[in-house]
Order: sequence, then C-alpha cells, then structure tokens
Amino acid sequence: AQRVTQPEKLLSVFKGAPVELKCNYSYSGSPELFWYVQYSRQRLQLLLRHISRESIKGFTADLNKGETSFHLKKPFAQEEDSAMYYCALSDNTDKLIFGTGTRLQVFP
Amino acid sequence: EAGVTQFPSHSVIEKGQTVTLRCDPISGHDNLYWYRRVMGKEIKFLLHFVKESKQDESGMPNNRFLAERTGGTYSTLKVQPAELEDSGVYFCASSQARSLQFFGPGTRLTVL
Repeated sequence: AQRVTQPEKLLSVFKGAPVELKCNYSYSGSPELFWYVQYSRQRLQLLLRHISRESIKGFTADLNKGETSFHLKKPFAQEEDSAMYYCALSDNTDKLIFGTGTRLQVFP
Repeated sequence: EAGVTQFPSHSVIEKGQTVTLRCDPISGHDNLYWYRRVMGKEIKFLLHFVKESKQDESGMPNNRFLAERTGGTYSTLKVQPAELEDSGVYFCASSQARSLQFFGPGTRLTVL
C-alpha cells in the first residue's frame, strides 16, 4: 500500500543552521513527490515537486528511488521558515497521500 | 484571482446533527478534491470530482458522508448524522493540471 512517513513531529533549529526534514515513501510504481507547507494562519500551499527539480525559498528535495526518500533540505534556516511541512505522494489516480507532517521551529 | 474558498471556516455541532460544508474551486478547475485531517493524524483523501462526476470516492469513511458537485462548479460535503470522530479539519482542493492541487483554507468541524 502507498504510504508516506515523516518520522519527526517537531524539528527545532536556530537561525542559520542547516535543516533536513525527512520523508520516506512506499509505492510500487513511479510516484510524484511533493512538499507542501502551511504557515501559521495560512492555507496549505505547494512548496516544491520532484519533477520540477527547482529550489523554492532556498529549499531543495531530491528523489532517491533506491532509498525511497524525498528529504527536504535548506542550508541556512530562517525564522520565516517556521511552519508545518507535509510530504505527499501522488499515485496514478491523482489523489495525494500525505505524511503526518513535521513542525519546523526556527529560533532567532 | 480568488483561490479556493470554503465555508464555513468553523462549525460546532452536536452529535447527531447535520452539517454541510461548501467548497468553491478556482474558476475553470475541473478537478475538485476533499481531504480531512483528524486530530493527530495525517491529511487523508476523501474523494475526487472531475466536473460533476465522482472520479474516486474510495476515501469516504462511511455512508454518513455525502458529497455533491452541482453543475461541475461548487461542491458540498454533508455529514448526517455527525459523530464525535468526524471532528477535524476538512480541506478542499482544486486543480486544472494533473497533480497541481491548490488548497482552500479548510473548515474546522467540531462535533460535541
């Protein structure tokens, strides 16, 4: 069965520190992977998707099919990065399968 | 351009009552999705409309939930009768292109 695992509920770092939010998935086919972010009092929004291979707000994520991972990374965290981050997988039916989310807290 | 809108933003009802949630997708988006997040759990898919047709309703928890999309525009999700375990945040999303889903702000449902 398709599944997305985000092992950390909370990740706390200081401003300027590197950040890595972990995401592992299980899916037998070729999935599309996404990271969504929800800032305080805002709606869920797409941060990036693996097929775009782009960097958004300094974040990158590389799909590792061997390790079935799609970890989100940023070399230098900023206070405004504090938010809930959700990893999601899209199967061939278009629905999104989400992980439980990781709350990132960036302290000044 | 307005994004996906949902109404109400918050609803508090008693067990056994009926609640109807509404979602207005982005204009021109044929695909409309419902998801929900129950406390402490992940955001889970409920169903997917393509225009007015139900493409996939595999995530609907039981027959107390009824979703409609009249004329392929807005959608409603009715819970009748509501139970305590239905409490959570209900999200709607819409898309034009495959997989690029835009989410609404959600409706927080509290069943007492």
